[in-house]
Parts: sequence; structure tokens; C-alpha cells
Amino acid sequence: GDSVTQMEGPVTLSEEAFLTINCTYTATGYPSLFWYVQYPGEGLQLLLKATKADDKGSNKGFEATYRKETTSFHLEKGSVQVSDSAVYFCALTSKRTGNQFYFGTGTSLTVIP
Amino acid sequence: DSGVTQTPKHLITATGQRVTLRCSPRSGDLSVYWYQQSLDQGLQFLIQYYNGEERAKGNILERFSAQQFPDLHSELNLSSLELGDSALYFCASSVQMNTEAFFGQGTRLTVV
Repeated sequence: GDSVTQMEGPVTLSEEAFLTINCTYTATGYPSLFWYVQYPGEGLQLLLKATKADDKGSNKGFEATYRKETTSFHLEKGSVQVSDSAVYFCALTSKRTGNQFYFGTGTSLTVIP
Repeated sequence: DSGVTQTPKHLITATGQRVTLRCSPRSGDLSVYWYQQSLDQGLQFLIQYYNGEERAKGNILERFSAQQFPDLHSELNLSSLELGDSALYFCASSVQMNTEAFFGQGTRLTVV
């Protein structure tokens, strides 16, 4: 079945460091891909999305490119801030998944000053 | 603010009891999803409704049930509660199926 695999955390970075969180997916057909972020004590917030191959989603300095050839959707940010400390979830949905959202296990990011 | 409203924010109840969690989707959203988030299980999909009809079912226990009403709000009913049901329960909504979902702040359920 369809699934999402995220890199294991937790990840700890110094402020202004480069961030990559890996996400790969398994899906039949052409899913839509998402990154969500969860700050402590809050719900999940949509960070960015891509709906077809080679699309690049971007928001708040974060970027991810839908790579069908490598079935990946890695999240990147050039310079992280302390305020980026949160848990990041990769997700997919498609008509073939019955329109369910499949989430990865989440990657906890801590940014230290 | 995502526009998805969940009530109550916190709920403490005893084992064996029954509770109802409520979700109001964003204005215009027809699809509602329910998720359970616990430390050991991660984010688990429970059930999805679209315009009042059940469309997808995930890892939802038989003790749990849900419905979506004509005004599109949804309720998740949890009965015969056990200690292991303690978790965060999230509702999400989307305008159509297969589009981005927006999450509420969640209801934190504690079963004692």
C-alpha cells in the first residue's frame, strides 16, 4: 500500500545551519505531497505542498521538490532559526489512497542559539 | 488560526465512560478527517467524511464512532474508554477530497 518514510529524528542544529529532512514515498499513481509542521501544544499546520512531478513547494524559507524518479520530497531550509523548532511531518494523499492522508512518523527539529 | 474549531480543548474522564468530541470545519470545506495522535503510535488516521457520507476508514476501534451532520460539523464518539485511549484527537478539513487538509488545535483526552 501507499506509505511515507521520513528520516529518523531527533535533529539538532545550530541557528543558521542548513536543514534537510528526508522523505520518500511509495504510491501507485500520482499522489499529492505535503509537509506539515507541529509546534509544541498545537495542531498540524500546512507548511507547503506539491501536486505533480517537478513541482516545488515553498513557504517561510522552506522548500521541497516533488521528485518522481526518486520518489522523494525532501524538506530543505537554507538557514534555520530557533523558531523553526518543531516536529515536521511528510504526507501524501491521492485518489488511489481513497483520499486518506498518509503521514510519516514525524521528525523533531531543535534549533539551538 | 486554521479555521477548524475543535471542542473541548481538554477532557478528563474515567475508564468506562463515553465522550463526544466536536469539530467545526472551515467554512466551505466538505471533507472532515479524524486522527489520533499518541506518543507511541504517532498520527493515526481514524475516519473521513465527505458531505455527510463516510468515505474512508482507518484504524478506528469498534468502540469509536463518528458522523458528519448536514451543517457539516462532525462528532467523534468514544465509548467504554480505556487508559490507552488517552491521546490527542485532531480533526482536519479540506474543501474537496485529495486536497490539502487544515487541522484544528486538537482535543487532549485523558482517561484516568
